[in-house]
Amino acid sequence: EVQLVESGGGLVKPGSSLKLSCVASGFTFSSYGMHWIRQAPKKGLEWIALIYYDSSNKYYADSVKGRFTISRDNSKNTLYLEMNSLRSEDTAMYYCANSGDAWGQGASVTVSS
Amino acid sequence: DIQMTQSPSSLPASLGDRVTITCRASQDIGNYLRWFQQKPGKSPRLMIYGATNLAAGVPSRFSGSRSGSDYSLTISSLESEDMADYYCLQSKESPYTFGAGTKLELK
Repeated sequence: EVQLVESGGGLVKPGSSLKLSCVASGFTFSSYGMHWIRQAPKKGLEWIALIYYDSSNKYYADSVKGRFTISRDNSKNTLYLEMNSLRSEDTAMYYCANSGDAWGQGASVTVSS
Repeated sequence: DIQMTQSPSSLPASLGDRVTITCRASQDIGNYLRWFQQKPGKSPRLMIYGATNLAAGVPSRFSGSRSGSDYSLTISSLESEDMADYYCLQSKESPYTFGAGTKLELK
């Protein structure tokens, strides 16, 4: 069974940092590009980052470029999202997804003083 | 950046209705278009990929089509389990972009 399990979310203050993880199982993680997508409360989906299967290319939405870093460790079947300089508008559910049809259940991030 | 204009934002419909949701791309995206269904409190589910291909396990009442820069998701006969939010996504080039979403609800 294909599974993606996010962790690392929480409540943080503006300006702080947080690192999300996404552990994959049930498919060949090292063969798939991986994405992070977020959804603010009561809002639509926003794509925020993509990393190629071999980490050769990384792409970001303008809203997070320069603050967020996507990375992966294929030996651990794990995807990461390092988030710096967090703002209130980064408050959202963060989903990891592969380039096929698998999504995780989401990790909640709340940025508030 | 490629903009995806999705319409309508809300679609009241009755069980058994044929319904269509549309996304218009601001630039050529070929068939790099996916449709997702999202129910409250759940992760999105892939319904259509490559503009017209049904994802695994998706009922055959769902279909995708393309006419120029307009992409459509059609449900041929609405069932209660189809009530959800629907989003299109272009994956032609970064930054990938979602449509704003369509809330499908019972009339």
